[in-house]
This record gives sequence, structure tokens and C-alpha cells, in this order.
Amino acid sequence: EAQVTQNPRYLITVTGKKLTVTCSQNMNHEYMSWYRQDPGLGLRQIYYSMNVEVTDKGDVPEGYKVSRKEKRNFPLILESPSPNQTSLYFCASSPSRWMNTEAFFGQGTRLTVV
Amino acid sequence: AQKITQTQPGMFVQEKEAVTLDCTYDTSDQSYGLFWYKQPSSGEMIFLIYQGSYDEQNATEGRYSLNFQKARKSANLVISASQLGDSAMYFCAMREVSGSARQLTFGSGTQLTVLP
Repeated sequence: EAQVTQNPRYLITVTGKKLTVTCSQNMNHEYMSWYRQDPGLGLRQIYYSMNVEVTDKGDVPEGYKVSRKEKRNFPLILESPSPNQTSLYFCASSPSRWMNTEAFFGQGTRLTVV
Repeated sequence: AQKITQTQPGMFVQEKEAVTLDCTYDTSDQSYGLFWYKQPSSGEMIFLIYQGSYDEQNATEGRYSLNFQKARKSANLVISASQLGDSAMYFCAMREVSGSARQLTFGSGTQLTVLP
């Protein structure tokens, strides 16, 4: 089954404790991205990757890191999480960057930083 | 300026009736794509429908249709014959040609509740 898999689905952590949210897709997609969803703000892009070893900042990259060492994986790293990073996070992948390609989303990771 | 504006934070509709969810967008690109996603209470994002800026016909997918008015820069989602399972958050999104990212930009969403 074609899918984007994120783990964990739920995470509660303390301020400053490094964490990684994993994302893996099995569709051989080139383009992957991370979004955060906050009430009243919709989804905002954090980072994206156009291919292996090619990553760049989205609209809200502060406090986050990513890497793309393999085509299928695109982990999101929070080196020192803070309460303002409490949010619902989505990983998404697309076959390409072209107009008519929809993004396939993971199930979401609900992160709480206390 | 907001690139995608959804002015209806919440909407109610009676089961079996049609409902229109509004979306306006702002771009100077000639080539762009418009998308609608559904997010049920379980949280996943479900792709519903796509409209390209050069498409002359309005997109349709089953009970979903997109009322695309290019001059007005609007891309409203029409759901016909609403069902209880249509209760969800709905997001309008746009992908522009400009920039290497070609990211999806989302609106703030509309929470639709279908009443029995």
C-alpha cells in the first residue's frame, strides 16, 4: 500500500530534550516536506527536500532541522524543543514539484512540549 | 498578504443539502494549481480535488466540484448531497510556479458540520 508513515503519532516531551520525528514514504517520491498545523493558521511549511541531500527552509524553519540521506526518509529533528513548538506535525511527499501533483500526507504527529 | 483566504471558520449544513466552502487566493503567477483537502477528526489529510489555472472546465470528483472563477481568484468547493461523514475541517491550498520550492500554501480552514 502506497503510504507516508510518521512516527510517533503522539509525543509528550520536556523543554530542551532533543527529539526526532521519523517520516518514510514507499512511493519513490522525489519531493518531501514537513508542515506544522496550528489552530487558525492552517498548515505552514517548515522544511522541504527536492531530492537526496537537497533540503531548504520553508516558512517557519526556526528550531527545526531535517536531513535527507535516503530518498524514502525525511526525519524532522528538534534539537532543543520549546513549548511554542507544541503542534500537530505532518510529513508529506509528492512525485514531483509540478502543478498537478497532489501531496500525500502522513497520519500526523501530535507533539506537546512542557 | 494572505495567499489563501478561507473566510468561513465554521459552517453548518443539513444532511442531503449542498454546501459551498469559500476560498480566495492571491498570486501573480499565470500558472498555478489549487487543491482541496479534508481533515476528519481523526487528523489525517485527505486529498479531494485539483484545479489547474489553465483548466477551462471546473474540476469534479464524485460529490465534490470546484467552482473556479479565475478573474475573481476564487476556488470554492461545492459538496453536493452532504453526508454525516462529510463533517470535517476543509483546507484550500495553492501551488505556484514561482520559486524552487513550489510548496503548497494552505488557508486557515473551514470546519464543516453536517446536521442530521
